[in-house]
Amino acid sequence: DTAVSQTPKYLVTQMGNDKSIKCEQNLGHDTMYWYKQDSKKFLKIMFSYNNKELIINETVPNRFSPKSPDKAHLNLHINSLELGDSAVYFCASSQDGSVAGGRDQETQYFGPGTRLLVL
Amino acid sequence: ILNVEQSPQSLHVQEGDSTNFTCSFPSSNFYALHWYRWETAKSPEALFVMTLNGDEKKKGRISATLNTKEGYSYLYIKGSQPEDSATYLCARTTGTASKLTFGTGTRLQVTL
Repeated sequence: DTAVSQTPKYLVTQMGNDKSIKCEQNLGHDTMYWYKQDSKKFLKIMFSYNNKELIINETVPNRFSPKSPDKAHLNLHINSLELGDSAVYFCASSQDGSVAGGRDQETQYFGPGTRLLVL
Repeated sequence: ILNVEQSPQSLHVQEGDSTNFTCSFPSSNFYALHWYRWETAKSPEALFVMTLNGDEKKKGRISATLNTKEGYSYLYIKGSQPEDSATYLCARTTGTASKLTFGTGTRLQVTL
């Protein structure tokens, strides 16, 4: 059973297109995240949702829009794709992303990643 | 220290060697320190979460210590095996909505 799954695994597309990446977790977690692994292999947080509410929004271009239809899903939609958007995008979830949840509940479980290549 | 920094960047050891690497982080507003193991072509997997100064955690041959006052954590691997080959990431949270700030990782390669 896959705990955190992402689709698609690979995505090759043309500059200017709009694309979506889907993420689903079956762990019953309250909080989900999107990370971008940049060209230097560095993992950077993009967004976080807790119970469908946006709680972290880093300085990401507004071409990126996360959508959480329910707490088990957090999708990432990207408009007008640019060459620099090429990266690996990881979804993650944790039991409780709030400070009150306790630190062990911060442990994040990652999906397998989506490799996006913009041509 | 302004960001989470890890050293060395990469490490190559022989099977059976013991090794350790360092994670340095800003000591102000500290909440928790996480260690993750990231094998190539897989996703990061959680190893430890540490919160208190002096904390030590152990999982098999891997252990970690935490010094929140001076802002560092050590990860130790005893008797390295080829299956330990991976990138080891540390990440810090400051208690604001579980925002993990990752270091760039230490890439460990264990050969026979």
